[in-house]
Amino acid sequence: AQRVTQPEKLLSVFKGAPVELKCNYSYSGSPELFWYVQYSRQRLQLLLRHISRESIKGFTADLNKGETSFHLKKPFAQEEDSAMYYCALSRRGGKLIFGQGTELSVKP
Amino acid sequence: DGGITQSPKYLFRKEGQNVTLSCEQNLNHDAMYWYRQDPGQGLRLIYYSQIVNDFQKGDIAEGYSVSREKKESFPLTVTSAQKNPTAFYLCASRKTASPNTGELFFGEGSRLTVL
Repeated sequence: AQRVTQPEKLLSVFKGAPVELKCNYSYSGSPELFWYVQYSRQRLQLLLRHISRESIKGFTADLNKGETSFHLKKPFAQEEDSAMYYCALSRRGGKLIFGQGTELSVKP
Repeated sequence: DGGITQSPKYLFRKEGQNVTLSCEQNLNHDAMYWYRQDPGQGLRLIYYSQIVNDFQKGDIAEGYSVSREKKESFPLTVTSAQKNPTAFYLCASRKTASPNTGELFFGEGSRLTVL
């Protein structure tokens, strides 16, 4: 079965520390993977997707097909990064499924 | 001002009543989606529609129904058969349902509480 797993419900780091939000997936085909973010009192919005291979707000994510992972990383966390982060997988036929979400809290 | 509009933002319902949540988009997107967001469970797909007059069940479709009579509208009905309807519901749209066609745009959500 296709599945997206985010093992951490809450990740708390201090400002300036590196951060890594984990995402593992199970999918038999070629996955299309995304990270979405929801800041306080804002809509859920796209942060980045693997096909773009770009860095957004200092975040990067590399697709590792061997480990079936798509972890989100940032070398130096900022307080404004505090938000709920969701990893998502686009399946054949148009379905887009999400992980359980990880709440990132960046302390001053 | 383009985007997705969900209404109402808050809705209370008595047990046994059906309720319909509205979702309208003016982005000219073909694909539309309904998700349910519960704490600790992330977003779970209820129904999705790739094109007008067509829709498919998601992972938790039981107790819900949808229609897609117009491109811009994808209303969700929460029926009395839904055993645990109290939740936050999110509507989203995407240019098409095909791979690599861009991001999902979300509405602000509707919070349904069953009394």
